[in-house]
Amino acid sequence: DADVTQTPRNRITKTGKRIMLECSQTKGHDRMYWYRQDPGLGLRLIYYSFDVKDINKGEISDGYSVSRQAQAKFSLSLESAIPNQTALYFCATSDLNSGTQETQYFGPGTRLLVL
Amino acid sequence: LAKTTQPISMDSYEGQEVNITCSHNNIATNDYITWYQQFPSQGPRFIIQGYKTKVTNEVASLFIPADRKSSTLSLPRVSLSDTAVYYCLVGGMNSGYSTLTFGKGTMLLVSP
Repeated sequence: DADVTQTPRNRITKTGKRIMLECSQTKGHDRMYWYRQDPGLGLRLIYYSFDVKDINKGEISDGYSVSRQAQAKFSLSLESAIPNQTALYFCATSDLNSGTQETQYFGPGTRLLVL
Repeated sequence: LAKTTQPISMDSYEGQEVNITCSHNNIATNDYITWYQQFPSQGPRFIIQGYKTKVTNEVASLFIPADRKSSTLSLPRVSLSDTAVYYCLVGGMNSGYSTLTFGKGTMLLVSP
């Protein structure tokens, strides 16, 4: 969905480096999410945020941190990258006020390789 | 959170109708059923959502029996471009926590 953008799209880094993945959205949604996807597995939730002052841990938050700088921006940081964090990372947004079950809109993904 | 079970993979041919069934035995009263589609190296994309009976849109139909313990995504006359992973999710609007959990999905392979 072009309304949800992620930068960078691809990143190669070395073990121990700190990196940041950024997500921006123009949908005006309150909720934002970070997922990772490994080959053969579904998406696993890392962190999520319901508004600017709200941060919640997901299923696999260890080794990650996030920052919700504004409604439109949600950044994911790897403080000290390790090889098993090599994965495809997705940002998503949703609108709590949609009136039905939330529908999540995903960005194009960031492919991260940690050497 | 309601857990879902769906086949790991399915095969079909172009022009056929494909039905993917998802089991969700412990679905809650307020839970909706949503299906997403994911192509390789892309984020999942919303396909269809329903609460009960039948829902149809331009892409698919969703059949939900009265007991709501399962649902079936129906893709009419599939084409090669329908080859993707399909996720069944169950959850509701809840301000306390994220209610959507993605499982491993069903890998649909459409052949000529």
